[in-house]
Amino acid sequence: GENVEQHPSTLSVQEGDSAVIKCTYSDSASNYFPWYKQELGKRPQLIIDIRSNVGEKKDQRIAVTLNKTAKHFSLHITETQPEDSAVYFCAATGEGGATNKLIFGTGTLLAVQP
Amino acid sequence: DVKVTQSSRYLVKRTGEKVFLECVQDMDHENMFWYRQDPGLGLRLIYFSYDVKMKEKGDIPEGYSVSREKKERFSLILESASTNQTSMYLCASRGGGNTEAFFGQGTRLTVV
Repeated sequence: GENVEQHPSTLSVQEGDSAVIKCTYSDSASNYFPWYKQELGKRPQLIIDIRSNVGEKKDQRIAVTLNKTAKHFSLHITETQPEDSAVYFCAATGEGGATNKLIFGTGTLLAVQP
Repeated sequence: DVKVTQSSRYLVKRTGEKVFLECVQDMDHENMFWYRQDPGLGLRLIYFSYDVKMKEKGDIPEGYSVSREKKERFSLILESASTNQTSMYLCASRGGGNTEAFFGQGTRLTVV
């Protein structure tokens, strides 16, 4: 089955700096890779996602890149702000029936220091 | 807006009790999931269901079972609760194709 590894487990940056979180996956059938943000005491919420037919996607200060050959994908946050502080999870899944299993990484605690 | 609702926010149960955690979604999603969240371990999949009466084991199914008799409802059952099942439990639902998953508010279960 799918296995998703995520690094680093914690990341501390100064406000205004960039943050990068990396994930690798094992199942070559996976074709959808979402990223979720979980603020303290709240439920995870989708911030950006990428499909396997795309190499990069950007939404304002957030971007995600995907390397299908190497089976890794990354989240990039530029010009970090204190409100970016949260736990970030990557995930991977296939499409259709039992392959819809959505597997998450272990999470990255991002702390943005003002 | 999609709504995923878990029946309880906090639960305290005794060791050996049978525990039911209920999750309901209102968007006619095919896929529903139960995760367990523990510090440092992320979101670990217990079970998921991709259709009514269909279920697939996740990474940590031991000690748990599930039921999906209706499309909108997915229940997680702890047959005989143990203290190592003390955790935050999150339900999620997702439509077909490469679509977003929506989470419930979570149930903090304490087994004493």
